Amino acid sequence: AQSVTQPDIHITVSEGASLELRCNYSYGATPYLFWYVQSPGQGLQLLLKYFSGDTLVQGIKGFEAEFKRSQSSFNLRKPSVHWSDAAEYFCAVATSGTYKYIFGTGTRLKVLA
Amino acid sequence: EPEVTQTPSHQVTQMGQEVILRCVPISNHLYFYWYRQILGQKVEFLVSFYNNEISEKSEIFDDQFSVERPDGSNFTLKIRSTKLEDSAMYFCASSGEAGSGQPQHFGDGTRLSIL
Repeated sequence: AQSVTQPDIHITVSEGASLELRCNYSYGATPYLFWYVQSPGQGLQLLLKYFSGDTLVQGIKGFEAEFKRSQSSFNLRKPSVHWSDAAEYFCAVATSGTYKYIFGTGTRLKVLA
Repeated sequence: EPEVTQTPSHQVTQMGQEVILRCVPISNHLYFYWYRQILGQKVEFLVSFYNNEISEKSEIFDDQFSVERPDGSNFTLKIRSTKLEDSAMYFCASSGEAGSGQPQHFGDGTRLSIL
């Protein structure tokens, strides 16, 4: 069965520091991969997506993610975190021919001033 | 940028009552979805809907749940007889395509509280 693992439940970084949020998936073929962000009381906003091609994808708000097939990972990165990045981040997987997303449990990011 | 809108933002209902959650998907989208997120847990898929019928559903989506597109713009989720464990945030999403990786666009959610 497909699954998504986000090993870090909470991460705290200082403003201006770099950030990496981990995501591992379990699926036989190459899935479609997404990162969403959820600010408190709000919905899920798409940060970036990977379908095929270049394994380093750029997203909104200065985020990027790298697909590594050998590690079944799709980690999210940002070189310099801003206080407004504090939110919960969800990695999601979709597969060809199905309609549903499978989400990870999320990583809550706290940013220290 | 077009967005998915959901109403109400918060719904409080007595256990056993029926509740209808409403969504207006992005206007040119053809695929519609409902997900839920129980407090502190992951977002879970409930159902997808295309061409006026359910295309896929999870085991959570039992006979107490139904979906409908009553007109050209709204997409609704009905829970017939609510239970305490139905308390969750419910998200509606829509996409122009499905199964191809085109991203789903989510609304801000309806927080459902069952008393």
